[in-house]
Amino acid sequence: ETGVTQSPTHLIKTRGQQVTLRCSSQSGHNTVSWYQQALGQGPQFIFQYYREEENGRGNFPPRFSGLQFPNYSSELNVNALELDDSALYLCASSLAASGEETQYFGPGTRLLVL
Amino acid sequence: QKEVEQNSGPLSVPEGAIASLNCTYSDRGSQSFFWYRQYSGKSPELIMFIYSNGDKEDGRFTAQLNKASQYVSLLIRDSQPSDSATYLCAVNGGATNKLIFGTGTLLAVQP
Repeated sequence: ETGVTQSPTHLIKTRGQQVTLRCSSQSGHNTVSWYQQALGQGPQFIFQYYREEENGRGNFPPRFSGLQFPNYSSELNVNALELDDSALYLCASSLAASGEETQYFGPGTRLLVL
Repeated sequence: QKEVEQNSGPLSVPEGAIASLNCTYSDRGSQSFFWYRQYSGKSPELIMFIYSNGDKEDGRFTAQLNKASQYVSLLIRDSQPSDSATYLCAVNGGATNKLIFGTGTLLAVQP
């Protein structure tokens, strides 16, 4: 167990809807990164939050947005869902500027878009 | 060219053998390298990280890094059926500390 929690574990939505995924980071960690993992692929970086600000973004459209809260927990929001958004969404926490920025993953949220 | 490349496998080894998993990366500026294990339907679990050229051992696992050749590998000694999983190689990609993953190698350890 990494101490990183995510909710919900599974979600079914229809095309065009909006979804919010939540992540609580490991105690003592101040950075949260979000990844999308499609079936049979490696995780793809969506964005990272550090001190409540976006600190880097991957090749994802603006309908993917996020937040980080003062307690370092984070949300991933996806608007106007598309069928290709069906994937495992992973949150990873780390301690920035520690010299060891190893990322530890939560259990993930599996999203199915119909 | 993919940034991180792995053979997708499956790599099949008998129980008790050494499993050798390989990964190459394209960005010479990469500083940190990670191996994650992912069981089917689960999230990635950190196995090893390595920052310096050479070998790093942790129990049955040894990570090897060769920055000149842009190559990182994972050796699993005395492979067990419980080691059967997909092994993901990840490279730290710059100032944002994002991880760039390969597609993973499926390892099957035969009893």
